[in-house]
Amino acid sequence: ETGVTQTPRHLVMGMTNKKSLKCEQHLGHNAMYWYKQSAKKPLELMFVYNFKEQTENNSVPSRFSPECPNSSHLFLHLHTLQPEDSALYLCASSQDSAAIATGGYTFGSGTRLTVV
Amino acid sequence: GIQVEQSPPDLILQEGANSTLRCNFSDSVNNLQWFHQNPWGQLINLFYIPSGTKQNGRLSATTVATERYSLLYISSSQTTDSGVYFCAVVPPTGRRALTFGSGTRLQVQP
Repeated sequence: ETGVTQTPRHLVMGMTNKKSLKCEQHLGHNAMYWYKQSAKKPLELMFVYNFKEQTENNSVPSRFSPECPNSSHLFLHLHTLQPEDSALYLCASSQDSAAIATGGYTFGSGTRLTVV
Repeated sequence: GIQVEQSPPDLILQEGANSTLRCNFSDSVNNLQWFHQNPWGQLINLFYIPSGTKQNGRLSATTVATERYSLLYISSSQTTDSGVYFCAVVPPTGRRALTFGSGTRLQVQP
């Protein structure tokens, strides 16, 4: 256990469903991130939150909607996804602002999403 | 944005062998990390090493920031070392989050 917990671990959803991914960190960090890892590709940054404020949106389609109610929790709301959105979604946190990231990033175990 | 290149892309070793993985990056960096991704997808932080040398057991890493590269050394490899090794960096300007390389897929055979 790394201190960053993601739920659920696996998710299968239809293209018309609405679901949410949850990330929780118990490390006292102030920056949180969503990354996407498609098969045989490097990790792609999706969103960055610093002190609950979104500071980066890497041109992510609007069918992905992040929410950061406090520094410990991060959600990714999903609706009307496409089969090509099937991937491993990873959450990470770092101690201070993303630009400094003292001590580095800590990743959760990920949610493996399958869109059918 | 910053470019991160890792080599080799694939590596097969016999148990007990040593190896060196390389990460080249195209700009100066504030942060560099090496990760090991296991078969279940978990990314394990191996080293936070924007500069200098660190060692942890059979693993060690060196980053020469002025020459824009980092090396990860694995000695006396074990089958549990198998997986994908990623290098990731944060530049001082531009995107303020980790940018990942494509990884080195390591297979250690018994």
